[in-house]
Amino acid sequence: AQSVTQLDSQVPVFEEAPVELRCNYSSSVSVYLFWYVQYPNQGLQLLLKYLSGSTLVKGINGFEAEFNKSQTSFHLRKPSVHISDTAEYFCAVTAGGSYIPTFGRGTSLIVHP
Amino acid sequence: NAGVTQTPKFQVLKTGQSMTLQCAQDMNHNSMYWYRQDPGMGLRLIYYSASEGTTDKGEVPNGYNVSRLNKREFSLRLESAAPSQTSVYFCASSEGRDRSNSPLHFGNGTRLTVT
Repeated sequence: AQSVTQLDSQVPVFEEAPVELRCNYSSSVSVYLFWYVQYPNQGLQLLLKYLSGSTLVKGINGFEAEFNKSQTSFHLRKPSVHISDTAEYFCAVTAGGSYIPTFGRGTSLIVHP
Repeated sequence: NAGVTQTPKFQVLKTGQSMTLQCAQDMNHNSMYWYRQDPGMGLRLIYYSASEGTTDKGEVPNGYNVSRLNKREFSLRLESAAPSQTSVYFCASSEGRDRSNSPLHFGNGTRLTVT
């Protein structure tokens, strides 16, 4: 069975600073990896996904993530955050042919002016 | 394109009351899901439906029932609500087992309080 660990429950950062949200997964088989974003009082929406190929994946709103198979990680990065990036971010993985994702517990990104 | 629509948006119940949360998707997706979201717990899968006519238990099914009415609709029923079921409930859909790399599409949630 797969599991997902988001190492930080909350990440405070100042506007225009870079940010990295960490995600590690455990699975012994090939995986598909996803990052979702949840703005206040809304549902989750897809930010980006890794299916295969290039390990650097670009998503919406200037976010990108890098798949590192040896470290079983899929960290999310943005070089310069905005106030509007304040949200909850969830990492998810599907593995072994299962189509049902396992979600991490989420990281709350708080961007201060 | 509405995507995934959930009703109601908010609900307050007294302990022991019953209610049904409705969900519909217009993306012709095969699979549908019900999750609950609680602070610090992330998303936990309650039930899912791989395809029309099938339903299966997820991680936290106790106290809930589901119905996959047709391909579009997947409802969640609380027969006798308890305060522990106070949560935000999300419905989601995906292409499912034919496309295991397809992402989930979520509704905007139902905020349920049980007093």
